Order: sequence, then C-alpha cells, then structure tokens
Amino acid sequence: KAGVTQTPRYLIKTRGQQVTLSCSPISGHRSVSWYQQTPGQGLQFLFEYFSETQRNKGNFPGRFSGRQFSNSRSEMNVSTLELGDSALYLCASSLGGGARETQYFGPGTRLLVL
Amino acid sequence: AQKITQTQPGMFVQEKEAVTLDCTYDTSDPSYGLFWYKQPSSGEMIFLIYQGSYDQQNATEGRYSLNFQKARKSANLVISASQLGDSAMYFCAMREGVGFKTIFGAGTRLFVKA
Repeated sequence: KAGVTQTPRYLIKTRGQQVTLSCSPISGHRSVSWYQQTPGQGLQFLFEYFSETQRNKGNFPGRFSGRQFSNSRSEMNVSTLELGDSALYLCASSLGGGARETQYFGPGTRLLVL
Repeated sequence: AQKITQTQPGMFVQEKEAVTLDCTYDTSDPSYGLFWYKQPSSGEMIFLIYQGSYDQQNATEGRYSLNFQKARKSANLVISASQLGDSAMYFCAMREGVGFKTIFGAGTRLFVKA
C-alpha cells in the first residue's frame, strides 16, 4: 500500500506570493491533517479534514487555508507569504481521525520564503 | 488543556544499551491516544508505537516499549539495544477523543555513540 505523498517536496517563494501544497493520503484514509514544523515553534497543528469538511483548525491566521476533495486528497494554501512561513509542512492521514488511530505522515514539503 | 511535555532536549546513549525518553501529558479527556514518532534528518515522521488511554498493558513494538503510568500522566519510550540508526529526533504526541487534533511535545534528540 502506498504511503502518504506530498508534492512538491521543496519550494522557494518570495514574500507576498502564494503557495499551494498537495497531500495524497493512504488509500482508504479519509482524515487528513496538516502541521507546520519550525525550529522555534516545533510542530503545530494547522487543520484537519474529513470527508471534505474541516473539523478543526489551529491557531493560524486566515492566510492559511485548506480543502479536501472527494477522493480525500487535500491541499493547503498560504497566501501573502511572510518570511516566518518558511517551514516544513507535514501532512498526515488516518482512517477516520479518531483518538486511537495512528496518523501516518508524508515526507513533507520544505518551503523557503525569501 | 491539552499539553505534552518532553523535558530532555538531548540524550546520549551507547550503542547496544537501552535508553528511556521521557514524556508527560495533561488532558481532561478520559479517552485519548499517545504516540511516539521518530524524525530522522530527512524530515519524515515515522510512527513507532501507540498506547490507548484504556489499554491495561504497556505497548511494545520490537525494540520499542512504552512505559505508561496513567496516574502520573507519563508515557515514556524505552528503546532497547540502541543502534546507530536510532539517532534522530523523537516526538511524543497525544490525540484526544474529541477535537480531531494531535499535539506534539518539543522533542528529544537522541545521539547513539559507537
């Protein structure tokens, strides 16, 4: 069974631009979560989607948005990029998102904002 | 409030010896899952082991075991017979029964010496 895939793996943008990251979950998994990882803040929850509905959102500005498609693939978008948005963005999937379900992570997208 | 604490920023262990990585958590939800992940320098988060809040037995997965002490709210990871390839960041994480959100500790960097 293929794992979680994320594209692109690396991205360089300039301030003010926008970016879209993609995540394809493990086949059969309907819950997709996004996390931002930075050296200063660690791993922070961005949002979680299940069946095309956002069920929870972390404490991030509205420039961060996401969506999920009917095939469970998910995208996240960051508009008006700031230098502080440079981070590793990780996507994780699980069957239904329950507390006792293991989330499996993709390899991440490394975003550098110049 | 949901919280995960890892108090060891860095740990050294001799190859073939056992090592314990500490994790304490705080939650008011009786239903939760505790997870440990390994993150090598490549960035991918690798699932290691899971413990459910209602599980009576400590979880084990190969060389990994989880020392779960519910009353003390601790979930320490024990790695037996350390290998050089175990050198990585290790994250403790918790997911509550509601909220569809996983929170992570700050991580412990483990160095295995030959």
